[in-house]
Amino acid sequence: GQNIDQPTEMTATEGAIVQINCTYQTSGFNGLFWYQQHAGEAPTFLSYNVLDGLEEKGRFSSFLSRSKGYSYLLLKELQMKDSASYLCAVHLRGYSTLTFGKGTMLLVSP
Amino acid sequence: KAGVTQTPRYLIKTRGQQVTLSCSPISGHRSVSWYQQTPGQGLQFLFEYFSETQRNKGNFPGRFSGRQFSNSRSEMNVSTLELGDSALYLCASSPGGAVDTEAFFGQGTRLTVV
Repeated sequence: GQNIDQPTEMTATEGAIVQINCTYQTSGFNGLFWYQQHAGEAPTFLSYNVLDGLEEKGRFSSFLSRSKGYSYLLLKELQMKDSASYLCAVHLRGYSTLTFGKGTMLLVSP
Repeated sequence: KAGVTQTPRYLIKTRGQQVTLSCSPISGHRSVSWYQQTPGQGLQFLFEYFSETQRNKGNFPGRFSGRQFSNSRSEMNVSTLELGDSALYLCASSPGGAVDTEAFFGQGTRLTVV
């Protein structure tokens, strides 16, 4: 089966940097998605990593190491609106759907 | 263009009843996936439909079923509802084919079983 682990909760201060880790054990790994979900809202796409390395997109960056089964989402210059749940999801080869971790609830305080 | 539309947004049902949820994907998208989201288990995959055919299925009992119409709209049905079926049901649409692009999620249907 597949196993995807992320911390349940994290807290950080406005303006700071936070790193949310995701580790996975799967067979047939193809790529890894990060989604953001505010309370009561739909998940929204943040990033998709297929190759090893860091991909930067504004204040958000995502890193992948396929050999280590590890990814992280880096959020810089945190804002209050970044308080949300961050979902790590694995895409497996041969499947057109995603397997999600349980999500990390990030609370940004003033 | 319009996003993914799920109806209804909220639903309260009694144990033993059945329920049908609807999802209209983004125009031109042919793949619709359904997920159940609960605080304890996170997002769990139910099934995926592509061109009116079920392409993948998760590990849920047969009480959970779905279908897709020729216009790509999809419905999921849950029969003989149990208290544990209370959850947020999300659908996601994507163009179809390979999943190397983002899936777009609807706002979800919040189902409460009492």
